[in-house]
Amino acid sequence: GQQVMQIPQYQHVQEGEDFTTYCNSSTTLSNIQWYKQRPGGHPVFLIQLVKSGEVKKQKRLTFQFGEAKKNSSLHITATQTTDVGTYFCAGRGTGANNLFFGTGTRLTVIP
Amino acid sequence: NAGVTQTPKFQVLKTGQSMTLQCAQDMNHNSMYWYRQDPGMGLRLIYYSASEGTTDKGEVPNGYNVSRLNKREFSLRLESAAPSQTSVYFCASLSGARNTEAFFGQGTRLTVV
Repeated sequence: GQQVMQIPQYQHVQEGEDFTTYCNSSTTLSNIQWYKQRPGGHPVFLIQLVKSGEVKKQKRLTFQFGEAKKNSSLHITATQTTDVGTYFCAGRGTGANNLFFGTGTRLTVIP
Repeated sequence: NAGVTQTPKFQVLKTGQSMTLQCAQDMNHNSMYWYRQDPGMGLRLIYYSASEGTTDKGEVPNGYNVSRLNKREFSLRLESAAPSQTSVYFCASLSGARNTEAFFGQGTRLTVV
């Protein structure tokens, strides 16, 4: 079956440091989405990438989709305490209706 | 406009008891999903319904059944709860078009003792 792995599982950073989480799929994806879940909350959609090699930015967040459409990354520049939470990638296989989530990376930001 | 509503928010069951988790969305979405979230395991897909009248198994369907009652509602049933089903359960809906985001409910924290 389809698997989407994320690394690292946990990351502690000092406020102001950068953070990156990586997402790898065992199969080619039609698109990749990223979600953020605050502690005690539910996942909330951040962004979607569709094209091979696509890069999108949202303020301090940069999202990339790999050329082979099997991996993706989320980079946060100069983390803030508001960035705390778990970041998930999610993807669909080509022709699939189901949405598979990665294992998530829990980010802690130390003030 | 409530989005996706899940009930209950919390539940404690004894081993062997049954219960149904309810999910309703008011966004006229075609697709609905049930996930469970366990520490270090991410969100694992239990069952999904791509459209009204259809349901399909996800990664971890054993021990669960679902019903897509109508376009708005998608319920998850545990016939005989086991401690391994202790988890946080999330319902999500998507419009059904390929490149659309998932909207999640607030989650149900279930403990089976």
